[in-house]
Amino acid sequence: DAGITQSPRHKVTETGTPVTLRCHQTENHRYMYWYRQDPGHGLRLIHYSYGVKDTDKGEVSDGYSVSRSKTEDFLLTLESATSSQTSVYFCAISDRGRSENSPLHFGNGTRLTVT
Amino acid sequence: AQSVTQLGSHVSVSEGALVLLRCNYSSSVPPYLFWYVQYPNQGLQLLLKYTTGATLVKGINGFEAEFKKSETSFHLTKPSAHMSDAAEYFCAVSDSSASKIIFGSGTRLSIRP
Repeated sequence: DAGITQSPRHKVTETGTPVTLRCHQTENHRYMYWYRQDPGHGLRLIHYSYGVKDTDKGEVSDGYSVSRSKTEDFLLTLESATSSQTSVYFCAISDRGRSENSPLHFGNGTRLTVT
Repeated sequence: AQSVTQLGSHVSVSEGALVLLRCNYSSSVPPYLFWYVQYPNQGLQLLLKYTTGATLVKGINGFEAEFKKSETSFHLTKPSAHMSDAAEYFCAVSDSSASKIIFGSGTRLSIRP
């Protein structure tokens, strides 16, 4: 399995509080992604990164920000959590920088509940 | 813009029966297509992928998928279902110009004894 660690695995937080989720990889892959998974919606891309300090928005980026200061770490921040952000969040990595048809490798997810 | 449609949010088959999960895509350029499987409380695992070349792609666990450009489809099949195949399956699309992989909404596969 690809070396991807997401932390925390579970988190409960209150509406209006900031939350940061961490994704750490040991594969030295250039591309990293944050998806959220909700029933009936599949996986929707929040943000992705194509290198250190290089990030771009996905289809559901409102209310989220990201940072990538090192190749191995990709942080997802909810500046002020809302109940609509209750979801399971998946980090994924890809070796797309080396091969454009490289698949994604996923972490085990973070279950976030906003009360 | 790329998109993926998976027909049927839930499919139920008997053990030993044919599995057919449907996926249609939209892409303005030749696509890369993927099927992923997700077991409960886990992340997604790659089942198979199509990039170029042979249109019939074989994956892990006896699954295969056929790329049909004329039908813009990439349906997933398995000749004989096992109980261990019960999971959620996702179709996804990308291409050479895109940095993103777009997923369908998923199909939950149940296997009846």
